[in-house]
Amino acid sequence: DSGVTQTPKHLITATGQRVTLRCSPRSGDLSVYWYQQSLDQGLQFLIQYYNGEERAKGNILERFSAQQFPDLHSELNLSSLELGDSALYFCASSVPLQGSGDYGYTFGSGTRLTVV
Amino acid sequence: GQQLNQSPQSMFIQEGEDVSMNCTSSSIFNTWLWYKQDPGEGPVLLIALYKAGELTSNGRLTAQFGITRKDSFLNISASIPSDVGIYFCAGLSDRDDKIIFGKGTRLHILP
Repeated sequence: DSGVTQTPKHLITATGQRVTLRCSPRSGDLSVYWYQQSLDQGLQFLIQYYNGEERAKGNILERFSAQQFPDLHSELNLSSLELGDSALYFCASSVPLQGSGDYGYTFGSGTRLTVV
Repeated sequence: GQQLNQSPQSMFIQEGEDVSMNCTSSSIFNTWLWYKQDPGEGPVLLIALYKAGELTSNGRLTAQFGITRKDSFLNISASIPSDVGIYFCAGLSDRDDKIIFGKGTRLHILP
């Protein structure tokens, strides 16, 4: 168990709609990272939040937005959905790497979004 | 931007065979990570490497941090059915605290 919780696990919706994906990071972790994984694609970084503030932005479309709340859970909002938005969406939080001062990521189980 | 090139893209092997995959970059990384993703799950960290030339094992898995700090290798010995999945390399640079992922190597084991 990574300690990162994502809901829902599956989501099916129609084109043009808007959905919200939710992530609760590991207890005490201030960072949340969102990634998109399309079919046969690697993990594309979308956005990072740290303690409620946006910290880094990757290849996130303007139709997508995110926020992190005071209780540190985060939501990824996807609007005007297109067929190509069908993907697995993961969130991750930081985990210290033993033997170094660096951090790796621990991932949730993901939300599989299908746009029909 | 920084990119990781992972190869091969996919592998089909017989159970019991050894597996080798690698990851290269034009950028230097201070830390290399290897993750495995089982079908329908999130990636799980397998091995972390911190120093150039470092060789680290985790059971049947062995990974190496390349001397140039621009590449890393993962070997799996005596593969078993549960090794099936996608293996991602990832690098952490000192430019920012964002981890860059490769596109993954899909491992298939033939019955």
